[in-house]
Amino acid sequence: DIQMTQSPSILSASVGDRVTITCRASQSISRWLAWYQQKPGKAPKVLIYKASSLESGVPSRFSGSGSGTEFTLTISSLQPDDFATYYCQQYSSYSPLTFGGGTKVEIK
Amino acid sequence: QVQLVQSGAEVKKPGASVKVSCKASGYTFTSYYMYWVRQAPGQGLEWMGIINPSGGSTTYAQKFQGRVTMTRDTSTSTVYMELSSLRSEDTAVYYCARPYGGNSAGYCDCWGQGTLVTVSS
Repeated sequence: DIQMTQSPSILSASVGDRVTITCRASQSISRWLAWYQQKPGKAPKVLIYKASSLESGVPSRFSGSGSGTEFTLTISSLQPDDFATYYCQQYSSYSPLTFGGGTKVEIK
Repeated sequence: QVQLVQSGAEVKKPGASVKVSCKASGYTFTSYYMYWVRQAPGQGLEWMGIINPSGGSTTYAQKFQGRVTMTRDTSTSTVYMELSSLRSEDTAVYYCARPYGGNSAGYCDCWGQGTLVTVSS
């Protein structure tokens, strides 16, 4: 199984901050990586797919980069609506599909 | 628009089974695989398995082998996930999620609203 490790698990930041979350895969997944945002009581929402492609409708302050085993999600200027939990997911192999443990972005 | 609507919350006793439904609309049901993903309270996302609505074939995560059954009804565009021998650790929100583009391995561009299953004596 491909293990996905996210860091940090909690991130305290202020509105306007630049925020970076890292996701590492236990083996190469090329660019088959997605990032999701999840708010309490809601289903996850995809932000980025194929490591760096922005999902339609997602603000341009979100960006993704990386390939192989190391990936990052960056929020260029944190907005009040961005306080949430973020997950990475590999889809190089669907059996099993695996997610990172999550990063909670909270207000500093 | 593409929509996945799941059945309502359930409360079950340990050892019982639960069956959650996910009704798809807004797209050709048999052209897209479906995942089931669960999330225990305060925890992360856990993939349970995949079903191909076209032929009904399934692949389950090893952790759930022998306890989970995924089925579909093409006449109503509905997929089902049944989990048996429930224990307290199965208390979670269960989501159906559609992988993008009709691929078996993909990111999920559409999710159901989630179904809370509570296992308690």
